[in-house]
Amino acid sequence: DSGVTQTPKHLITATGQRVTLRCSPRSGDLSVYWYQQSLDQGLQFLIQYYNGEERAKGNILERFSAQQFPDLHSELNLSSLELGDSALYFCASSVVTADTEAFFGQGTRLTVV
Amino acid sequence: QKEVEQDPGPLSVPEGAIVSLNCTYSNSAFQYFMWYRQYSRKGPELLMYTYSSGNKEDGRFTAQVDKSSKYISLFIRDSQPSDSATYLCAMSARRDDKIIFGKGTRLHILP
Repeated sequence: DSGVTQTPKHLITATGQRVTLRCSPRSGDLSVYWYQQSLDQGLQFLIQYYNGEERAKGNILERFSAQQFPDLHSELNLSSLELGDSALYFCASSVVTADTEAFFGQGTRLTVV
Repeated sequence: QKEVEQDPGPLSVPEGAIVSLNCTYSNSAFQYFMWYRQYSRKGPELLMYTYSSGNKEDGRFTAQVDKSSKYISLFIRDSQPSDSATYLCAMSARRDDKIIFGKGTRLHILP
């Protein structure tokens, strides 16, 4: 167990809908990262927050947004969902801002129908 | 050309064999090289971490980096059925830079 908790584990929703994925980082970790994993694209970095502030942005669509709250948990909001958004979404956390030392959660499997 | 290329497999080898997993990359700025193991329905877990060129050994696992050829390898000795997983290579230019992942190689160790 990495100590990173993601909820829900599975989510099935219809096209056009909006969903929120939640991540609780390991105790003491200030950085949270969001990744999307699909069969054709592999693991893609979406966005990073450090102590409540956006730190880095990757291939995140404008329909997606994220935030990190004062208690350091993070939420990833996906709106106007399309079939192609079906993927595994992973959260990772680390003490500092270094991706290379991040621990991954077990992911949320999103299916858009 | 993709930044990181990795053969998706699947790769099936008998128990006890030496496994060789490889990745090539195009960005010469990469200096940090990682291997992650991902079991089915789980998140990736960091297996090996190497800075710059050279070899690093940890138990049955050896990571090699050849920056001149832009080629990295992970060797698994005395492979076990529990090693069956997807192995992702990953790399970054700086310690706090975003990580670029390969698509992963599915490995099956046959008992």
